[in-house]
Amino acid sequence: EDQVTQSPEALRLQEGESSSLNCSYTVSGLRGLFWYRQDPGKGPEFLFTLYSAGEEKEKERLKATLTKKESFLHITAPKPEDSATYLCARGIREKLTFGTGTRLTIIP
Amino acid sequence: DTGVSQNPRHKITKRGQNVTFRCDPISEHNRLYWYRQTLGQGPEFLTYFQNEAQLEKSRLLSDRFSAERPKGSFSTLEIQRTEQGDSAMYLCASSPGSGRSYNEQFFGPGTRLTVL
Repeated sequence: EDQVTQSPEALRLQEGESSSLNCSYTVSGLRGLFWYRQDPGKGPEFLFTLYSAGEEKEKERLKATLTKKESFLHITAPKPEDSATYLCARGIREKLTFGTGTRLTIIP
Repeated sequence: DTGVSQNPRHKITKRGQNVTFRCDPISEHNRLYWYRQTLGQGPEFLTYFQNEAQLEKSRLLSDRFSAERPKGSFSTLEIQRTEQGDSAMYLCASSPGSGRSYNEQFFGPGTRLTVL
């Protein structure tokens, strides 16, 4: 069965306090591991796609990494505007299967 | 703005009524997807099109749901005889369909449906 599990469900950080979000997935047939940001009441915003173990991508304070069974979204020195729900998804054939997300709150 | 657009943004209807949503994808993208999202959950795949052909439908897509993409441009999602359980955010996404980024899906703002 296709499974994407994200942890923690919610995370509160002080501004400037770095941390990591985890996404674990079933391995077979992976066609990309995707990270999105979603603000309340809005559609998901594309951040990264990772295709192979060892791959890393960065954007501003965010860095995504991929191993054979997990992906991590590292956030360095976050700011209050980084508060959002972060979703990961695995590509399966032509569709995406999403996790339930990590709700990140950055406290000024 | 050249992103994915969806209309309407909000729809309130009474149980048993029919509703139709529209999605306009990014113009150069030939794949279009529909997802449904409920509170506290990630988006769930409903169906997708390659140009005008509907190539996959989820088991979530009951007979009351129908989607079309005439001429491979915009798409419509219709729900007949709405039920309270249909209340959700309906999201549309599009992707290039070719090249290394073929499956990078860009989402629209969604249509929030409330069934009373």
